Amino acid sequence: AQTVTQSQPEMSVQEAETVTLSCTYDTSESNYYLFWYKQPPSRQMILVIRQEAYKQQNATENRFSVNFQKAAKSFSLKISDSQLGDTAMYFCAFQAAGNKLTFGGGTRVLVKP
Amino acid sequence: DAGVIQSPRHEVTEMGQEVTLRCKPISGHDYLFWYRQTMMRGLELLIYFNNNVPIDDSGMPEDRFSAKMPNASFSTLKIQPSEPRDSAVYFCASSHQLNTEAFFGQGTRLTVV
Repeated sequence: AQTVTQSQPEMSVQEAETVTLSCTYDTSESNYYLFWYKQPPSRQMILVIRQEAYKQQNATENRFSVNFQKAAKSFSLKISDSQLGDTAMYFCAFQAAGNKLTFGGGTRVLVKP
Repeated sequence: DAGVIQSPRHEVTEMGQEVTLRCKPISGHDYLFWYRQTMMRGLELLIYFNNNVPIDDSGMPEDRFSAKMPNASFSTLKIQPSEPRDSAVYFCASSHQLNTEAFFGQGTRLTVV
């Protein structure tokens, strides 16, 4: 079974600064996908970024980027130029090809003005 | 498309009562997922459907839980009888393919007293 670990329960960052969230996973699969989802206080789960394991290039989406280290089974999320609207829970998720999503426990991010 | 629509948004019920949660997935999406979110256990996949057929229900906690998808535009998650430990936020999500972005509804917050 796959497991996803987010070791930081909570992080705070000043507006306009950068914060990095860590995520590690355990799998024996070679073909899989990794995701970061954001859950703001409104409760809606929103996809932030997606990475295919076979791609070496790190995915980026505007101010969000990942550092994907396949050998280390690490998938961290960097939020640059943090904005107040980035305050939310962030969930890392793993999905083997043809299989279901497994979520980590989440990291609460608080952006301070 | 209006996105994944769940109803009700909040439900308060007494222990022993039957509860039915409803979901309308995004049109054209072949996959539908039911998740449960609690503080203790995080986000758990309960069951998912492909083309209205249940594929994996290994996450359904016990026989009190049942899910149906009578057609491509509607699914229900039923709990009978409900218990206080069922209190959680229940999310429905849909996706076009299994490894593509899952779009989540806004969730139903269930409180069983």
